[in-house]
Amino acid sequence: DVQLVESGGGLVQPGGSLRLSCVASGFTFPTYSMNWVRQVPGKGLEWVSYISSRSTSIFYADSVKGRFTISRDNANNSLFLQMNSLRVEDTAMYYCAKDSCTGGVCYTSYFESWGQGTLVTVSS
Amino acid sequence: SYVLTQPPSVSVAPGKTAKLTCGGDNLEGKSVHWYKQKAGQAPVLVIYDDIDRPSGISERVSGSKSGDTATLTINSVQAGDEADYFCQVWTVTTDHPGVFGPGTQVTVL
Repeated sequence: DVQLVESGGGLVQPGGSLRLSCVASGFTFPTYSMNWVRQVPGKGLEWVSYISSRSTSIFYADSVKGRFTISRDNANNSLFLQMNSLRVEDTAMYYCAKDSCTGGVCYTSYFESWGQGTLVTVSS
Repeated sequence: SYVLTQPPSVSVAPGKTAKLTCGGDNLEGKSVHWYKQKAGQAPVLVIYDDIDRPSGISERVSGSKSGDTATLTINSVQAGDEADYFCQVWTVTTDHPGVFGPGTQVTVL
């Protein structure tokens, strides 16, 4: 079974930094693109970032571009999200999500599996 | 940026059929995916590529699309269908391709 386990969330002051991690198991991690998706408690889902299987394609939502950096370590089946210059509006549950795309050019992507999330709270 | 629209809420009696819509410009040229999220849980993929159902998802759940509107249909609604449902597309022509609809809260009466 696919398992995605996020960690690294917590309370941070505005302007601070956090690094989220996601450890994957149950599938061939180096083959799949991956995503981060966030959700403000009680609100909808917001896609945050995408990274292709070999890190050759990376995309960000406009709301985080220039502040967040997605990366992966295929040798250790891990996905990361470095979050800098955090704002109050970044407060959310952050989910790691396995993409449907397995290399090459994918004209659509969807999120086959999700972790349970890690909560990030930005507050003074 | 690309926008998807969904009705905020739908109420349905047990045993009846729920139809949830998702609209967007030129949606007929995009693949639509649907997620179910129960309170306090992570989302689960229930329909992908407009009409396909992942293994383990009930046959009572189906997807369709006509023109710029995609529809998620839940037949013989049960209490366990009560959840938020989100549609999603991937807009390959932009550098921020992931887009979710605002979600529809389904209440089983």
